Amino acid sequence: DTGVSQDPRHKITKRGQNVTFRCDPISEHNRLYWYRQTLGQGPEFLTYFQNEAQLEKSRLLSDRFSAERPKGSFSTLEIQRTEQGDSAMYLCASSLLGNEAFFGQGTRLTVV
Amino acid sequence: KQEVTQIPAALSVPEGENLVLNCSFTDSAIYNLQWFRQDPGKGLTSLLLIQSSQREQTSGRLNASLDKSSGRSTLYIAASQPGDSATYLCAVDPGGGADGLTFGKGTHLIIQP
Repeated sequence: DTGVSQDPRHKITKRGQNVTFRCDPISEHNRLYWYRQTLGQGPEFLTYFQNEAQLEKSRLLSDRFSAERPKGSFSTLEIQRTEQGDSAMYLCASSLLGNEAFFGQGTRLTVV
Repeated sequence: KQEVTQIPAALSVPEGENLVLNCSFTDSAIYNLQWFRQDPGKGLTSLLLIQSSQREQTSGRLNASLDKSSGRSTLYIAASQPGDSATYLCAVDPGGGADGLTFGKGTHLIIQP
């Protein structure tokens, strides 16, 4: 296992379309996080899973966003009816019991 | 609400210099603090993790210190190299998993050859 993997790396979509991103965490890590990062800003927390349970969601996560982590393995983040304001880098991170967090390379979303 | 501030926002120095990046946070009730490096268009690479009970951590030319009571951390880079050019991000973890990490906006570092 070489680290956290995210797919796709880049996504261009038309406004109003749905998109789904995937994250494969480090296999033994029980915690998985999604963050969003816009240009010139640090990443902002979106949601958190411990194993398969989604334990926390930020107010940034509108009703158009949904995340799952079936069987406590990989996770998906879906954005419905995309808006131009959704354009950002979406980052996934995993950790073991709140220790060092490891990030993937991110998915760059552009909504046109 | 935890707020993290990084100073300076940008820094350009000649190769070979030692430098210090600063990070401050408003709520001292943290579980740990982590420094990351981010190259343009890429994800984050973990550099150092300091637990709340620790004062400093070292990895190669990097040394990070933590003063939890005053809400400050510094990242010291010795003998800087052009390959060190990147954005450096500081993040605090409140513990328990909730709310994830709170990040500063980063320091954009350029090392001139």
